Amino acid sequence: KNQVEQSPQSLIILEGKNCTLQCNYTVSPFSNLRWYKQDTGRGPVSLTIMTFSENTKSNGRYTATLDADTKQSSLHITASQLSDSASYICVVQAGNNRKLIWGLGTSLAVNP
Amino acid sequence: EAEVAQSPRYKITEKSQAVAFWCDPISGHATLYWYRQILGQGPELLVQFQDESVVDDSQLPKDRFSAERLKGVDSTLKIQPAELGDSAMYLCASSSRGHTDTQYFGPGTRLTVL
Repeated sequence: KNQVEQSPQSLIILEGKNCTLQCNYTVSPFSNLRWYKQDTGRGPVSLTIMTFSENTKSNGRYTATLDADTKQSSLHITASQLSDSASYICVVQAGNNRKLIWGLGTSLAVNP
Repeated sequence: EAEVAQSPRYKITEKSQAVAFWCDPISGHATLYWYRQILGQGPELLVQFQDESVVDDSQLPKDRFSAERLKGVDSTLKIQPAELGDSAMYLCASSSRGHTDTQYFGPGTRLTVL
């Protein structure tokens, strides 16, 4: 069964600290992996999209990695800011039917 | 910067009533998606349009939900009659070339069914 699992479920860090969020997937065949940021009560905003051949992609203070062999991805946030408080969702697109498999997200709280 | 527009932002209705949501995608985006997101869960695709044609509505509860995109631009999602379990955030997204392109989401419509 195609699944996307994220950890931790929630995380609290202090402003200025770094953190890493994890995503494991069993989607096969694989097309691409996406990370979205979703503020409370708002629609998701795309951070990165990575295909099979890409193992690192950055977007400002956000850096995503992909290991297609172990089917794992991580999202690293550097020098966190209060505005980083949000849910971060990992999404994998299947290569056959193009469906997007959504994870449940990691809820991040950045405290002053 | 172009954005996906949705209205209303909030809707409260009683069960058995009809509700409708509107979405205006980013100009030039041929693909439009309607998602339902229950609190604490990821978005669930309800329907996908390519221009004015439905390409995926496998998860749309067709006994009560309907969606249309008559001119291939803006779209309407309707629920009739609404049920208590329909309370959720309804998100619209658009992309320029289909599944592999970045999806841009609107702010959503928060529906509460009493």
